[in-house]
Amino acid sequence: EPEVTQTPSHQVTQMGQEVILRCVPISNHLYFYWYRQILGQKVEFLVSFYNNEISEKSEIFDDQFSVERPDGSNFTLKIRSTKLEDSAMYFCAYGGDSNEKLFFGSGTQLSVL
Amino acid sequence: AQSVTQLGSHVSVSEGALVLLRCNYSSSVPPYLFWYVQYPNQGLQLLLKYTTGATLVKGINGFEAEFKKSETSFHLTKPSAHMSDAAEYFCAVNLNTGGFKTIFGAGTRLFVKA
Repeated sequence: EPEVTQTPSHQVTQMGQEVILRCVPISNHLYFYWYRQILGQKVEFLVSFYNNEISEKSEIFDDQFSVERPDGSNFTLKIRSTKLEDSAMYFCAYGGDSNEKLFFGSGTQLSVL
Repeated sequence: AQSVTQLGSHVSVSEGALVLLRCNYSSSVPPYLFWYVQYPNQGLQLLLKYTTGATLVKGINGFEAEFKKSETSFHLTKPSAHMSDAAEYFCAVNLNTGGFKTIFGAGTRLFVKA
C-alpha cells in the first residue's frame, strides 16, 4: 500500500497558539483530504482539496482552519488560534485509483491545553 | 444527504465465533460503500469496498460484506474471529460526486475473547 506520512505524530500546544500539521502523500494524486477524530467519536470530514483549491469543506472547517500545498508535495492543515475543542487525532488522506477509496496517514494527535 | 449508521458501538465475540458488524446507510444516489479498520494508535486501513457489480465483496483478513440495496445495508462479516481482529471498524459511504467526500459511521469496537 502507498504510504502517507504525517508529521508530527503528536503535537501539544497552548490554547490560542497556531499549529501546522503536515502530510506527505504520493505526489501524483489530485485529491487530498483532512479528517479528524475526537477521542471516542466518529471520524469527521474537514476538507477536500483538489487541484490546489478547496473543493468542499464541512461546517467544522471555519475561518481558523486553512489548507495548502506550499511546495507541491507537502499538504498542510493550519489552525490559526487553537481551542480546547480542537484536541483530536487529525488524519490526512488522498484519493486512490479512480478516487474510490482513501489512503490514510497514521494521524497527528493534537492536544490543546 | 447521505449518512451512515452503525448498530452497536461495541461488539464482543469469542475467538472462532462469527463476527457480524452492522451498517446501514442512507443515500439518494447509488453509493460507494467501504469498511475501514483502525488498530490502536494507527490510521485507517481499507478492509473492503463496494462500488458496482457483485454485491458480495471480499476483503483482507477474511472479511466480507454484502450490499443489500433493498435493506440499505452493508454488514461486515467474518466466519471465525481471531484475536488479531480486535480493533475499531468504520463503515463509510462515498457518493462519488465532486470532491469524493467520504462520510463515516460512528464506529464499532470489536472485542475478541480467548
